[in-house]
This record gives sequence, structure tokens and C-alpha cells, in this order.
Amino acid sequence: EADIYQTPRYLVIGTGKKITLECSQTMGHDKMYWYQQDPGMELHLIHYSYGVNSTEKGDLSSESTVSRIRTEHFPLTLESARPSHTSQYLCASSPQGGGQPQHFGDGTRLSIL
Amino acid sequence: KNQVEQSPQSLIILEGKNCTLQCNYTVSPFSNLRWYKQDTGRGPVSLTIMTFSENTKSNGRYTATLDADTKQSSLHITASQLSDSASYICVVTDRGSTLGRLYFGRGTQLTVWP
Repeated sequence: EADIYQTPRYLVIGTGKKITLECSQTMGHDKMYWYQQDPGMELHLIHYSYGVNSTEKGDLSSESTVSRIRTEHFPLTLESARPSHTSQYLCASSPQGGGQPQHFGDGTRLSIL
Repeated sequence: KNQVEQSPQSLIILEGKNCTLQCNYTVSPFSNLRWYKQDTGRGPVSLTIMTFSENTKSNGRYTATLDADTKQSSLHITASQLSDSASYICVVTDRGSTLGRLYFGRGTQLTVWP
């Protein structure tokens, strides 16, 4: 079982609110990722990080931002939530080196009213 | 365009039966292919990894195959159990990027009935 944790698991909140989704891993992995997943659809990479102070945008355009101040922590922030942000957000991490699996958290299911 | 296509989209089988899930990809250059299992409300968990030179790999009741020439993979589940009910996602890694870019299929939703 991978040691990567996401909080909250579920969040229902009104439009315009600022939201931070937390992701922490205890495996010392350098690489971390945020994915967005809608029902029946593939995962889309929205942010990733190679290590501390490294953040990059993924393939899917997102209005969210991320930070990587500590190796183990990779929070995602939405400054002003909108209904279009309703989705499942999955965090993952992997060690350096090719062929390494990504270990996923259990996700945050976000609903914006 | 790099893509990963899975079939069937959904599948219902009876407990104890076998089934085979398919994955076709166009990702190039190819690094490896993984099958993930995603239980409802959980994150995906890696089942197997296949590299270019591997044809078959087993993990308990799960057996994955890879034909790198035709760019096809399959996941065979033997003697299915109720706990096998989940989405099975095929993920192909691109060798050409520093990140090790992943391409995800949409998954096959497997339901095992008693």
C-alpha cells in the first residue's frame, strides 16, 4: 500500500470560494503529479513537479496552481472555484528513474455548487 | 497522435469465470506499458509492467501480454472474484520525454456478479 494521502476526500463548496487540496507522501519521492479524472474518462495531467521548488503545467489547461516547498507536500489551490472545476483530483508520486510506477492517492472528489 | 484505446468499455461476468481486457496504443517511442486497477473511490494501483522485450507477465490471477509489433496488450483475469470488480486502466509511458509522459486509456469497467 502506497503512503500517499489526500485531504479532503470529498468537498462540496460554493462558487467563488478559495480551495486548497492537500497531498502528502512519506516515501521521499522526488516527482509528484496532479491529475483530473471525470467519470468514464482518462486521467489528465494538470501539474507536476520534479522536486522542491519545481512546478510545471501538464497537458490539460487548469486554473489551479501548485507549490512544492517540501519534498513530501504538493498542495493544489483554486483561487475562485467555479462549477466547471467539479471533478475528481488525483495526486501521485514516483521516485527518480525510468520505469518506476506512480503511486496514487485516493483522490479528492470536488463539487462546486 | 499518441493514444491508448481500451475495449470493452464495460464487462459483466459471473464469479469464477475468466475474462480478457484489451489495450491498443499508438504511443511512440514506447517505454513500457502498465495495467492499473482502480477500485471505486480509490486511486489506481499498479498491477503489472511490461517493457518492450517482455511478452507475458503474471501477478497472481492477473496475466498481461504485450505484442510490441502490433502495439497491443491484454490483461487476462483467471477465476474472477467479487473483489475484481473495478476499472482496469492501461497506461503507456513515452520514452521520448524527460518526465516519462504517461498516456492513459479510459479503462474497462469490470463487474463480477455472484
